[in-house]
Amino acid sequence: GQNIDQPTEMTATEGAIVQINCTYQTSGFNGLFWYQQHAGEAPTFLSYNVLDGLEEKGRFSSFLSRSKGYSYLLLKELQMKDSASYLCAVMDSNYQLIWGAGTKLIIKP
Amino acid sequence: ETGVTQTPRHLVMGMTNKKSLKCEQHLGHNAMYWYKQSAKKPLELMFVYSLEERVENNSVPSRFSPECPNSSHLFLHLHTLQPEDSALYLCASSQGGRSGANVLTFGAGSRLTVL
Repeated sequence: GQNIDQPTEMTATEGAIVQINCTYQTSGFNGLFWYQQHAGEAPTFLSYNVLDGLEEKGRFSSFLSRSKGYSYLLLKELQMKDSASYLCAVMDSNYQLIWGAGTKLIIKP
Repeated sequence: ETGVTQTPRHLVMGMTNKKSLKCEQHLGHNAMYWYKQSAKKPLELMFVYSLEERVENNSVPSRFSPECPNSSHLFLHLHTLQPEDSALYLCASSQGGRSGANVLTFGAGSRLTVL
């Protein structure tokens, strides 16, 4: 079967750095997405990786290793507004999105 | 309005009621989706309308019935629901097509409670 694994919950301190990992086993691969979802709000697109390596976008970076079936989302200079759930999703060979259950990130002052 | 708009934001219904969820997108996208989001579970794709063709998850019960009258509007008709159907129902849209970079734009969701 197809599966996406990510930690259920993480806690970090304001101003620090946090890395949210995502591992996947899917039927084929056409890209990996990260979405951010604040409580009671819509998920919003953060990043898309299809080739190995690091994609940097401001305070957020996303890394992909296709051979290891692994990605991480790196958040730097954490702010209280970064408290949210982070959803990892992989597009399989049929262009279907396979979703992880999300990681709830709690930022403490 | 811009983006993806869902109404109502909150809905409480009994198991014998019939209600509908509405979604509207103003992005000129060609595909629209219904997802079910339950606590601590992955998003579950229920239905996809792409260029007016419907694709559905065969595990979705028939008490959920989608309707897509045009490329900007999507409905989810609900009847004879069960308490386990209580969840957040998210609508999304995208450019569609068989592309890896098919980014979804989500609405804020309709929180459904079935008593």
